[in-house]
Formats: sequence, C-alpha cells, structure tokens
Amino acid sequence: NAGVTQTPKFRVLKTGQSMTLLCAQDMNHEYMYWYRQDPGMGLRLIHYSVGEGTTAKGEVPDGYNVSRLKKQNFLLGLESAAPSQTSVYFCASSPTGGGIQYFGAGTRLSVL
Amino acid sequence: RKEVEQDPGPFNVPEGATVAFNCTYSNSASQSFFWYRQDCRKEPKLLMSVYSSGNEDGRFTAQLNRASQYISLLIRDSKLSDSATYLCVVNRNAGNMLTFGGGTRLMVKP
Repeated sequence: NAGVTQTPKFRVLKTGQSMTLLCAQDMNHEYMYWYRQDPGMGLRLIHYSVGEGTTAKGEVPDGYNVSRLKKQNFLLGLESAAPSQTSVYFCASSPTGGGIQYFGAGTRLSVL
Repeated sequence: RKEVEQDPGPFNVPEGATVAFNCTYSNSASQSFFWYRQDCRKEPKLLMSVYSSGNEDGRFTAQLNRASQYISLLIRDSKLSDSATYLCVVNRNAGNMLTFGGGTRLMVKP
C-alpha cells in the first residue's frame, strides 16, 4: 500500500542549480498538489492539478513549474534554485478535491 | 493577518488530561473545515472533518462556530501517542485550495 511516494527524500542544491521532484500516487486520484512547509508558516500551496494534462497556480507559484503528463505522476521543477526555496516539500493527492488529501512523506531541500 | 490562525503552543499536559485547541479563520465564505495531525518530521494526516453540528470520533470532538469564525478540537483522556502538531485546515470555497494554519503543538507527558 504505497499511497503517495515522493522522490528524493533529501537534496542539497547550490544556488542556480535546477532539479525536479517527483510525486507518484497509486490510488487513481484525479487531484494532486504540491505544498511547501516552512517553520511557523503552515503549508502553502505551490501548484495543483485537477487531472491529467492540467495544472494551476496556487498561493506561492513563483520560481516553480509543474507537469502532469500522466495521471499518477505530478512533477515539481525548480529551474534556478534560490536559498529562499529551502523548505520541506509535500505532495498530496485527493479523489475529489477539497479537504481530504493524502500526503507523501516529504522532500527536505536545502539550497546553499 | 493570517487567514487561519492557531496558537502555536506548545501545550504541555499530563496523561489523562483534557486539552482544547482553538483556531480562527478570517474568510467568512469558507465552506469546509478539517483537523490534520502531523507528527515530528512526518507528513500531515487527516484527523477529522468538522461539521456544523459538531462531531465526535472517540476521544476527539470537533466543533465549528460560523458566527464567530472559529473551530475547536477537544481531546479527552490524553495519551502519550497524542503528542503531535495539530493543523487547522479551511477550504475557502468549493474549489481545490486549502488554507492551513501554522499548527498547535501538543506534548503529553507521563
């Protein structure tokens, strides 16, 4: 019972480097989300998708891009990493949208 | 002002105690409400939805006051395993965007 799987779990980048975070879900959910969590800030929505081939901006989309080419995968890209993007990134999926979401274990990213 | 506000705590309580957390939200058009639990360095997990009439799940009771725009979570007979951060979550509209509070940390001591 994998649920939502995020890779990698940890990553250290230098400023200006790029990387892609992968989220995979095996629950056949339509909705997928990317959040970032910073101390004292709560989770903030970066981008989300309501189905294969669709993406939409969340609360803090700047500096990130996403793609949902397959229903089960949602990719988050950082084109030119900045220290302000040091954070814990969570992916989530939901069968119907709304408040019931299932989260992956998170990716801890440090940008030096 | 944050859209969803919580007292960050920590709340330090002995085993067996009853503890209550409150959460306030600023958008009166918010439609649905939830409590999530997050263990240290783990992902958030849904604890319970919050219904207008109030609802209970074992030792946990959630209540909603739309007029005052606050949500509460009551935990009775606290267990050591209840130690975690409790996140108040609001769905602003019928769409897909949730707003999370910063969380309230609970530490239950033997």
